[in-house]
Amino acid sequence: SQQGEEDPQALSIQEGENATMNCSYKTSINNLQWYRQNSGRGLVHLILIRSNEREKHSGRLRVTLDTSKKSSSLLITASRAADTASYFCATDGNQFYFGTGTSLTVIP
Amino acid sequence: GAGVSQSPSNKVTEKGKDVELRCDPISGHTALYWYRQSLGQGLEFLIYFQGNSAPDKSGLPSDRFSAERTGGSVSTLTIQRTQQEDSAVYLCASSLAAGTGDTQYFGPGTRLTVL
Repeated sequence: SQQGEEDPQALSIQEGENATMNCSYKTSINNLQWYRQNSGRGLVHLILIRSNEREKHSGRLRVTLDTSKKSSSLLITASRAADTASYFCATDGNQFYFGTGTSLTVIP
Repeated sequence: GAGVSQSPSNKVTEKGKDVELRCDPISGHTALYWYRQSLGQGLEFLIYFQGNSAPDKSGLPSDRFSAERTGGSVSTLTIQRTQQEDSAVYLCASSLAAGTGDTQYFGPGTRLTVL
């Protein structure tokens, strides 16, 4: 069964606004990663946060991790139309468990 | 260097036929993963290979699915007697190792349609 679950399932915002996506997971982790997928094809790694970290930044991306709540959030600031994609969180283990994703649409 | 490549990019087959999907991982990556993604769904883990260790097949949905990795590089996912519910995008990924925190690099996927 899948471990990571994102919400919302779909999000539509205006260009320039911030987008926040959340991920919840079930068991203890060492790392949590966020990936982006365009057009239902290959995924691209965005950012990794380790279990002993609470927040991490990369460009317009900000990721937080709350291990007590088993949740993470991905914030995209100053969104652009090109950010339109599906975003997945993935937790580690022997394999990676990917959630069902949040479909983000940024309207120009 | 070159990324992960998969072939074919699209495959249409008739129910009951066998199909083979190929994945060429990034050179030097010891871990290789196969996932399946149905339309609008998340990724479903199928199988992964780590070096010369026995593969983890825990995600394979039925005995019609099998995978090989020859020489620690190229992998082939075989689906026998395909069913319509096998229609999905099959994604392959590789990573430097299967340790925690290793980024997976994904191929573009093979879109399988079973008629």
